[in-house]
Amino acid sequence: GENVEQHPSTLSVQEGDSAVIKCTYSDSASNYFPWYKQELGKRPQLIIDIRSNVGEKKDQRIAVTLNKTAKHFSLHITETQPEDSAVYFCAASLISGGYQKVTFGTGTKLQVIP
Amino acid sequence: NAGVTQTPKFQVLKTGQSMTLQCAQDMNHNSMYWYRQDPGMGLRLIYYSASEGTTDKGEVPNGYNVSRLNKREFSLRLESAAPSQTSVYFCASSDVRVYEQYFGPGTRLTVT
Repeated sequence: GENVEQHPSTLSVQEGDSAVIKCTYSDSASNYFPWYKQELGKRPQLIIDIRSNVGEKKDQRIAVTLNKTAKHFSLHITETQPEDSAVYFCAASLISGGYQKVTFGTGTKLQVIP
Repeated sequence: NAGVTQTPKFQVLKTGQSMTLQCAQDMNHNSMYWYRQDPGMGLRLIYYSASEGTTDKGEVPNGYNVSRLNKREFSLRLESAAPSQTSVYFCASSDVRVYEQYFGPGTRLTVT
């Protein structure tokens, strides 16, 4: 089955600095890579995603890059703000027919220091 | 739209007791999922349902059963709860065209 590794497990940055979280996956068939943000006591919510036919995607301060050959993908947050503090999960998914089997990374706790 | 709803929000069980976690979505999604979340381990897939009438095992199905009652509802049953099943359980749903999974608010279950 798919295996997703995520690093680092914790990350502290000063407000305004950039944060980078990296993930690797094992199954070359995976074709969809979402990133979820989970605030304390809340449900995970999608912040950005990328499909396997795309190398990079950007949405305001958030960007994701995908290297299919190396089987790794990264989340970049620029100009971090205190409200970015949360746990971030990467995931690798195989979209097949009408469903997807998603394997999540173990999460990165991001702390933005004001 | 309420999105994905789950009941109950909290539950305490004794070892050996049974219970059913309920999940419903009003987004007309075909696929539904049950995950458990444990500290330091991310979210792990227990069971999923690609469409009404079908269910399949995920990564950690032992000790659980599921029922896809209709397109809206997907329940998770613990027949004989064990302390190892203490966790936060999330239900999610998705549409084949959009891919994003929408999560419910979660059920915090403690087994003593």
